Amino acid sequence: GIQVEQSPPDLILQEGANSTLRCNFSDSVNNLQWFHQNPWGQLINLFYIPSGTKQNGRLSATTVATERYSLLYISSSQTTDSGVYFCALHWGATNKLIFGTGTLLAVQP
Amino acid sequence: NAGVTQTPKFQVLKTGQSMTLQCAQDMNHEYMSWYRQDPGMGLRLIHYSVGAGITDQGEVPNGYNVSRSTTEDFPLRLLSAAPSQTSVYFCATRDSFSNQPQHFGDGTRLSIL
Repeated sequence: GIQVEQSPPDLILQEGANSTLRCNFSDSVNNLQWFHQNPWGQLINLFYIPSGTKQNGRLSATTVATERYSLLYISSSQTTDSGVYFCALHWGATNKLIFGTGTLLAVQP
Repeated sequence: NAGVTQTPKFQVLKTGQSMTLQCAQDMNHEYMSWYRQDPGMGLRLIHYSVGAGITDQGEVPNGYNVSRSTTEDFPLRLLSAAPSQTSVYFCATRDSFSNQPQHFGDGTRLSIL
């Protein structure tokens, strides 16, 4: 089946720092989502991005489908950015969602 | 998360007991699915449905049953709970007929003793 790898697995930042999270995948996909799972366990949609670049405030995402990777940029990080970031691929005829193992981000004040 | 409601939020069961996790949505989405999340891992697909009366298996279907009698509801049943089913369960929906993301409920935290 399709493989999804995220890096780094863990990341500790000081408040105000910038970071880049990466998602590599092994097969062509229909679409890709980035999620933030907050400390309460809720999954928050960040981006739905099959290709190109999107921005939402301090966050932006770029997907290069032909090279099978996506990047999530977090600028001027805040403590509320802490949590786990997942990429998930929409794959196959029924658009099953295949998750990566996530990046655990801790932003320290 | 607006539109996808999961109940209960927490549940403790004994091995061998049965229970149903409820998922309801008010967005008229055709596609609904159940995932489980285990510590340190991403979510894995259990079962999904592309419309009322149609269900299919995901990656980890064993030990779970589903049915889809209405567009709004997609219950997940554990017929005989096992400790290996201790997990956090998420329901998700998507409008199949448009290019839209999946939306998740807030999850049900299930412990089986």
